[in-house]
Amino acid sequence: GAVVSQHPSWVICKSGTSVKIECRSLDFQATTMFWYRQFPKQSLMLMATSNEGSKATYEQGVEKDKFLINHASLTLSTLTVTSAHPEDSSFYICSARVRDILFFGSGTQLSVL
Amino acid sequence: QKEVEQDPGPLSVPEGAIVSLNCTYSNSAFQYFMWYRQYSRKGPELLMYTYSSGNKEDGRFTAQVDKSSKYISLFIRDSQPSDSATYLCAMSFAQGGSEKLVFGKGTKLTVNP
Repeated sequence: GAVVSQHPSWVICKSGTSVKIECRSLDFQATTMFWYRQFPKQSLMLMATSNEGSKATYEQGVEKDKFLINHASLTLSTLTVTSAHPEDSSFYICSARVRDILFFGSGTQLSVL
Repeated sequence: QKEVEQDPGPLSVPEGAIVSLNCTYSNSAFQYFMWYRQYSRKGPELLMYTYSSGNKEDGRFTAQVDKSSKYISLFIRDSQPSDSATYLCAMSFAQGGSEKLVFGKGTKLTVNP
């Protein structure tokens, strides 16, 4: 299957700082990538769809100024959590689609102190 | 009625048991059906995918799709403690340039040695 690499796997930061998470497709090109958020014992919640060369599409209720997404190339999408606060602490997962199948990164656990 | 319904469990079985995980759906437009396995603090891992009614087997795993009943199943034979994880069903369709992917909420499985 296709490989999606996500980095870092965990990050701890102070409140008010910004954190960048990278998502790379290693063996294929992904014009579209997806960012999910997952709270403990809950299912995946789609945050936004990242489109190469254009603006991301955000789901309802997701602050686009808070969660900045950049999809600068066919193999890299980044999610920046700006001015992070403790309530932003969560598990963030990226994914990319090959035909109609989603392949996921390993996730990033963000803890904001 | 939710588009995809999945019993959250938790489901606890002894090692060696046959496990049956199920999802129902309401939208007959869904064309692709997937099962993911997610370990704690990890991204979902694709286990099986299919796009037609019937059975698909891969080792100890069998995916079953019944489009007439809008029902999909994942069977795990000779379950092992390492199968303990949350299992997510997902389904998608592409139509007229739009695409939709919906996840079930996941079933937490524990296989006891």
